[in-house]
Amino acid sequence: GNSVTQMEGPVTLSEEAFLTINCTYTATGYPSLFWYVQYPGEGLQLLLKATKADDKGSNKGFEATYRKETTSFHLEKGSVQVSDSAVYFCALRAGANSKLTFGKGITLSVRP
Amino acid sequence: DAGVIQSPRHEVTEMGQEVTLRCKPISGHNSLFWYRQTMMRGLELLIYFNNNVPIDDSGMPEDRFSAKMPNASFSTLKIQPSEPRDSAVYFCASSLSLEKTWPQHFGDGTRLSIL
Repeated sequence: GNSVTQMEGPVTLSEEAFLTINCTYTATGYPSLFWYVQYPGEGLQLLLKATKADDKGSNKGFEATYRKETTSFHLEKGSVQVSDSAVYFCALRAGANSKLTFGKGITLSVRP
Repeated sequence: DAGVIQSPRHEVTEMGQEVTLRCKPISGHNSLFWYRQTMMRGLELLIYFNNNVPIDDSGMPEDRFSAKMPNASFSTLKIQPSEPRDSAVYFCASSLSLEKTWPQHFGDGTRLSIL
């Protein structure tokens, strides 16, 4: 079956630090990959996506590259801000009539 | 553009009462999903619809839970009778289709507390 594994959290960083959040997946066929962000008290928002191997998704300074050879979709940002504090979910969709398979999510806290 | 709209935002009720959660998907979206989020179990998919037809309800926890989508612009999730362990945040999401490249767009959720 399909599954998404995220690194254990929480993660605490100082403002302007470099961020990497690891995500690996197992899927049948060729999935589409997504990162969602959930700010406190809100729903999940799509942050970025990639639909085929070697695609790079980017948004708000965040980037992730679809690596088929390592089945990974790691999220990176060069300089985090306090406003990036949130829960980040990696997810995939694969196959026909597919539902989203989510990772467990990781909480990021950014200190001023 | 209007996003996914859920109501109510908060609901507090006593156990045994019927609870109805409502969702209006993004106009033109053909797929709708109901999720539940708790600290213990994380994000769980309960049921999803395509073109108003339920596709997979295997995530619905028990017969006390039911969901309907009478038309393309409205869906309900009902719990009857409610129990304290149903307390959670319930999210609705919609997608243009079930095709894998399309993302899901989430509402702000209904925070449900059963006393």
